[in-house]
Amino acid sequence: RKEVEQDPGPFNVPEGATVAFNCTYSNSASQSFFWYRQDCRKEPKLLMSVYSSGNEDGRFTAQLNRASQYISLLIRDSKLSDSATYLCVVGREKLTFGTGTRLTIIP
Amino acid sequence: DTAVSQTPKYLVTQMGNDKSIKCEQNLGHDTMYWYKQDSKKFLKIMFSYNNKELIINETVPNRFSPKSPDKAHLNLHINSLELGDSAVYFCASSQGPGGNFEQFFGPGTRLTVL
Repeated sequence: RKEVEQDPGPFNVPEGATVAFNCTYSNSASQSFFWYRQDCRKEPKLLMSVYSSGNEDGRFTAQLNRASQYISLLIRDSKLSDSATYLCVVGREKLTFGTGTRLTIIP
Repeated sequence: DTAVSQTPKYLVTQMGNDKSIKCEQNLGHDTMYWYKQDSKKFLKIMFSYNNKELIINETVPNRFSPKSPDKAHLNLHINSLELGDSAVYFCASSQGPGGNFEQFFGPGTRLTVL
């Protein structure tokens, strides 16, 4: 079983729609959780950290379910500029990256 | 004002050659990393240094040798390049070691071995 699993997509979503990604992780001792974003042929960049109580940053909402070892990312009112690959990342002594979910927003 | 920079950006070379990639960060971070992203886009850690000391060494062939001359620099030397080494290599840095800190990535070095 992979340490961090994500649906690779692609997700093709019309502009303005809401889209949600999920991710599961295998190590119950994981301590920190993040979503990174990677644009085509670019480096990954932190989108947001994920906290146990859930957190929101503008149009983005992240949730963590420790019991089910599950992380989610919700994007509301999607923009063309949201097109990217979204990497689920889990940390303990190091960061472990999922293979990413590719999102394309269609005009 | 590039935070994490890498050179070269592209590297095309023949099998069997030796090559180096350089990385520098101006963020004042203590910890630096090398990652490999293969053709399937899987990003995997190779090495991590904290204050010039090696702290993570994943199962990487001995042909790969990192070197950290100071906290701000982490270089990667690769001997006897093989076709399977073709990938994008990312350098990254963070305030400290462990999985709790945001990591800042360089732009990547796209290595092609012919």
